[in-house]
Amino acid sequence: DAGVIQSPRHEVTEMGQEVTLRCKPISGHNSLFWYRQTMMRGLELLIYFNNNVPIDDSGMPEDRFSAKMPNASFSTLKIQPSEPRDSAVYFCASSLDVGAGNTIYFGEGSWLTVV
Amino acid sequence: AQSVTQPDIHITVSEGASLELRCNYSYGATPYLFWYVQSPGQGLQLLLKYFSGDTLVQGIKGFEAEFKRSQSSFNLRKPSVHWSDAAEYFCAVGAYGNKLVFGAGTILRVKS
Repeated sequence: DAGVIQSPRHEVTEMGQEVTLRCKPISGHNSLFWYRQTMMRGLELLIYFNNNVPIDDSGMPEDRFSAKMPNASFSTLKIQPSEPRDSAVYFCASSLDVGAGNTIYFGEGSWLTVV
Repeated sequence: AQSVTQPDIHITVSEGASLELRCNYSYGATPYLFWYVQSPGQGLQLLLKYFSGDTLVQGIKGFEAEFKRSQSSFNLRKPSVHWSDAAEYFCAVGAYGNKLVFGAGTILRVKS
């Protein structure tokens, strides 16, 4: 079975440009998570969805960040406008359900560099 | 609020030697605990998890971890390290809504 699929794997963009990261969760999983990893702050949960509905977006850093999940098999994380401090690895992850005991499976990440 | 502490930022062990990576957590309820491994340029892979029951948990790649409630610890162990184990290891606690809270990670270096 395919794992969590993210695209693009690598992106370099100029400050001020819009960035869209995409994610396809594991089929049948009801929960989807977006994490950000930086050297300074480690792994941070940005937002998570359950049954396509955003449940907790308290980790989204500011209004420049937005996330959508239009259907069970697709989610996007958008940054507009992008800034150099947004440079990080963005991970999408999914799990069967929202219960704390469910294993979360991670994608390979989208490596974003904003210059 | 829940938190995870991994006291060691870097650890270096010789190939074939035993390994123990430390993890301490803070969580008000019964914790769900996880260890993930991240190889350079890769995503996170689950090594093992603890939900309940036997406090010694076996995982993939020969790893095991022991949950000690009295010490709020969930240390990861491997009896004999291989060069391919060099990676970064993250301990995490599962909080409400399956929000994983991660430790800062421990980078493992293996010397031959």
